[in-house]
Amino acid sequence: DGGITQSPKYLFRKEGQNVTLSCEQNLNHDAMYWYRQDPGQGLRLIYYSQIVNDFQKGDIAEGYSVSREKKESFPLTVTSAQKNPTAFYLCASSTRTGVSAGGSEQFFGPGTRLTVL
Amino acid sequence: RKEVEQDPGPFNVPEGATVAFNCTYSNSASQSFFWYRQDCRKEPKLLMSVYSSGNEDGRFTAQLNRASQYISLLIRDSKLSDSATYLCVVNGDGLTFGKGTHLIIQP
Repeated sequence: DGGITQSPKYLFRKEGQNVTLSCEQNLNHDAMYWYRQDPGQGLRLIYYSQIVNDFQKGDIAEGYSVSREKKESFPLTVTSAQKNPTAFYLCASSTRTGVSAGGSEQFFGPGTRLTVL
Repeated sequence: RKEVEQDPGPFNVPEGATVAFNCTYSNSASQSFFWYRQDCRKEPKLLMSVYSSGNEDGRFTAQLNRASQYISLLIRDSKLSDSATYLCVVNGDGLTFGKGTHLIIQP
């Protein structure tokens, strides 16, 4: 079955530690995205990537880093510089490249719920 | 700042009733529009795209009003399983997600 997977589903880390969230897709999508969702809030874009070895900052990139070494994979690292890292993190992908590429719908992974203790 | 606004609700609706909610957007250059459904502690899933001429998918009808800059979602004959948060998504300069409208269908 084609889809997007994120792991782990739940993640607990101590304050000050970096942590990397996994996102893999086998949909052959060019574009991939990372969002953060806080309770009662909309999704906020952290980073996106239109093509391998290229990525762009979203609205709230500070304290995060990403890589796109393979088309299928777009891991997100939450660094110790992120002030409020506890949140629900969602990875998504789409068929068309570019955030402003004309409105292709995005498909989401199941999310990772990160709690920093 | 480009905004997408939704009434957060909750909308408490008896089973079998018809419910509708709107979403307003500020970017007049927005190109495409979507409704997503998000269940509690789950990822958003595409419910339907919204076309200029309006579109229907079973019990769900979506409409776009460009002049007034809003989109709407109508659910007929509501089911208990329709209980969820409905996210309005607008593509202007990138996708912007509304905070969602919480719908509770009551037996």
